[in-house]
Amino acid sequence: AQSVTQLDSQVPVFEEAPVELRCNYSSSVSVYLFWYVQYPNQGLQLLLKYLSGSTLVKGINGFEAEFNKSQTSFHLRKPSVHISDTAEYFCAVSDQGGSEKLVFGKGTKLTVNP
Amino acid sequence: NAGVTQTPKFRVLKTGQSMTLLCAQDMNHEYMYWYRQDPGMGLRLIHYSVGEGTTAKGEVPDGYNVSRLKKQNFLLGLESAAPSQTSVYFCASKLDHEQYFGPGTRLTVT
Repeated sequence: AQSVTQLDSQVPVFEEAPVELRCNYSSSVSVYLFWYVQYPNQGLQLLLKYLSGSTLVKGINGFEAEFNKSQTSFHLRKPSVHISDTAEYFCAVSDQGGSEKLVFGKGTKLTVNP
Repeated sequence: NAGVTQTPKFRVLKTGQSMTLLCAQDMNHEYMYWYRQDPGMGLRLIHYSVGEGTTAKGEVPDGYNVSRLKKQNFLLGLESAAPSQTSVYFCASKLDHEQYFGPGTRLTVT
């Protein structure tokens, strides 16, 4: 079984500042890793995913994440945030089997202030 | 393509009533999932399906039933609603390791 820990439930930052949202996972098998974003009253949208290969993954809207197998982490970063990045961000893992059920963290609410 | 759609968008039920949530996808995906989202809990998997005619339990299946009679539809049923089932329900379908989510159904059980 997998589990995901998002270390910060809320992260307030100022516009144009860099941000890092932290995610650690636990699994006894190899996993795929994902970051999703949820804007208010909407569904989830995939930001980026790590399946294999390069540990630095680039996603949409200028976000990137780095997979660190030894630290079992998959932290999300953006060098300069905008007001429009205000949303809730979810880290998720799935096993590499057929069903690939997602296990989500509890979410990090990013608030970008002017 | 409409992607993943969910019906209804909102619903209020009284304790003990039943209802069915419909998820439809037009992408011909084999895999479909039902999640619930509660404040501070993230999303938790209720049931899932790996193809037409198949269903399987997820992390929190109690109080829910599902059916996948047609490949494009995945139905979630509540036979006797309880206040603990007040939540936002999301459906998703999967292709190539990526899950595509619907807009959600907000259900309140009073």
